[in-house]
Amino acid sequence: AQSVTQLDSQVPVFEEAPVELRCNYSSSVSVYLFWYVQYPNQGLQLLLKYLSGSTLVKGINGFEAEFNKSQTSFHLRKPSVHISDTAEYFCAVSEWGSQGNLIFGKGTKLSVKP
Amino acid sequence: GAVVSQHPSRVICKSGTSVKIECRSLDFQATTMFWYRQFPKQSLMLMATSNEGSKATYEQGVEKDKFLINHASLTLSTLTVTSAHPEDSSFYICSARDPSGKETQYFGPGTRLLVL
Repeated sequence: AQSVTQLDSQVPVFEEAPVELRCNYSSSVSVYLFWYVQYPNQGLQLLLKYLSGSTLVKGINGFEAEFNKSQTSFHLRKPSVHISDTAEYFCAVSEWGSQGNLIFGKGTKLSVKP
Repeated sequence: GAVVSQHPSRVICKSGTSVKIECRSLDFQATTMFWYRQFPKQSLMLMATSNEGSKATYEQGVEKDKFLINHASLTLSTLTVTSAHPEDSSFYICSARDPSGKETQYFGPGTRLLVL
């Protein structure tokens, strides 16, 4: 069975500092990997995804993530955060060949302070 | 990008009543839609996968007779919470799979259900 682990439930950081949100997964088959962002009382917005090819993927709002197969990780990074990046971030996987149903991590609350 | 809408955005109902939530893909046809439930400060849990023209596939532990899902057209899926109880209060989010096959889901804005 698949599972997704986001070790950090909360990450406080100062504005303009770099940030890394960690995500590890386990699966017996190949997976697609995703990062979503959720602002309060809203649905989810796709930040970026890894399907195949280059292991470094760039997304919206200056975020990027790197797929590391040997470490089964897909950490999200941003070199300089803004106050507006304050939100909940979810890592998710789906299995190759499935209907695309996503398994989500528990989320990481990013709080950017001035 | 593709847009998914949900209606209503917020609903308050009395215990024992039924509530219907609609999920629409506005500018694309979605053969597959998903329904998730999110408790406060927690992650999304997949409830069921909805395929147009066929029965939904429910995840383990989700009562199919309580959470009725209908995917009658390529742009509409509905979730009906029957005989709602306070423990059904939650944030319900739907998503629609990108028909181009790029393994992407587009999420609706969610529906906040409060059962009194």
